[in-house]
Amino acid sequence: DAGVIQSPRHEVTEMGQEVTLRCKPISGHNSLFWYRQTMMRGLELLIYFNNNVPIDDSGMPEDRFSAKMPNASFSTLKIQPSEPRDSAVYFCASSSGGKNTIYFGEGSWLTVV
Amino acid sequence: GENVEQHPSTLSVQEGDSAVIKCTYSDSASNYFPWYKQELGKRPQLIIDIRSNVGEKKDQRIAVTLNKTAKHFSLHITETQPEDSAVYFCAAEGGKLIFGQGTELSVKP
Repeated sequence: DAGVIQSPRHEVTEMGQEVTLRCKPISGHNSLFWYRQTMMRGLELLIYFNNNVPIDDSGMPEDRFSAKMPNASFSTLKIQPSEPRDSAVYFCASSSGGKNTIYFGEGSWLTVV
Repeated sequence: GENVEQHPSTLSVQEGDSAVIKCTYSDSASNYFPWYKQELGKRPQLIIDIRSNVGEKKDQRIAVTLNKTAKHFSLHITETQPEDSAVYFCAAEGGKLIFGQGTELSVKP
């Protein structure tokens, strides 16, 4: 099993640019999560999907952030326009639902300058 | 919504000593409590979890205890080793998984 796959692993972009982060969950998992990690705020849940449907997006910081899951094997998190305070590690994670283990991807390290 | 508080934020122990990390949660409906270990520059990885129908669970040098009445749970690491040095996160799930702020554990040889 390849695990949760994220891309890009590292991105440096200029303020105002659009950023798209991508995630492929573990095959067979029906829950997908996007977390953001910073020193100040720790691990924050941004949004999660069950069976490709967004269930809770209350953690999405503002309208500049959007997430989609067009099918069971792909999700995107988009930031438009990006700002320096968006600099963080963005983790995608997946699980087989319910109270089952959540597996994290390697993370996408985003720096907005 | 759920709120998870974790203490201490940093913990330094000598190799061979025990380490204890404590968490409290606010949502009495939460019934799943995993612990994750995150090494520097790596992803969080599950090390142990406990469900609300169990008061204690052990896996070699790691144990977790849960007190549902008081809404707190703890991670115990015995005979610590330098490779245990990492950031440890507790979490609680009552619909969605919410993490504590993390504890940076340093085990000194």
